Amino acid sequence: EIVLTQSPGTLSLSPGERATLSCRASQSVSSSYLGWYQQKPGQAPRLLIYGASSRATGIPDRFSGSGSGTDFTLTISRLEPEDFAVYYCQQYGRSPLYTFGQGTKLEIK
Amino acid sequence: QVQLQESGPGLVKPSGTLSLTCAVSGGSISSTNWWSWVRQPPGKGLEWIGEIFHSGSTNYNPSLKSRVTISVDKSRTQFSLTLSSVTAADTAVYYCAKSNWNYGTFDYWGQGTLVTVSS
Repeated sequence: EIVLTQSPGTLSLSPGERATLSCRASQSVSSSYLGWYQQKPGQAPRLLIYGASSRATGIPDRFSGSGSGTDFTLTISRLEPEDFAVYYCQQYGRSPLYTFGQGTKLEIK
Repeated sequence: QVQLQESGPGLVKPSGTLSLTCAVSGGSISSTNWWSWVRQPPGKGLEWIGEIFHSGSTNYNPSLKSRVTISVDKSRTQFSLTLSSVTAADTAVYYCAKSNWNYGTFDYWGQGTLVTVSS
């Protein structure tokens, strides 16, 4: 069974700063099948990144994804107040077919 | 623009069966997409439950497979989840979602519905 481990668990930053979130897989993941989501309280997750590095429709270009194999990164270049939320990575293909990381909470410092 | 809407009882008794339906609008349930259920216990992370194709083919999370059934009703453009022998550990917000066929990511989500297992 594949496990996605996100770090850090909580990231405290100020608006305008750069955020770097990590997702490490216990087995190699195809870059085509790695995504990132943002979730705010009381809301459904929103797809940010698919295929490890492609932005979903309507996602600002301050969000970028990178990585391959077992190590993937979500970067937010300059934090806006609305970016403070929980972020999840997700893989497709290994068992179980879809797996999420445990999440990184991005909070205002 | 695909829209998804979950519906079903918000309270289920222990050992009972949880049943939810997801209504699909703004797109065809018969398109080349898989339709999933994902759940999130209060204050915790996301867990994929299973998926269905319009043909009726299914895939389930091995951890839940013995208790889960997902079905599709193409005429009513909806798909459904049943989870049997529920316990308090099944208390969660249940989301339905559409996965992108090419990338295996969930590009459309319902708003979610909280199901509490309690007597």
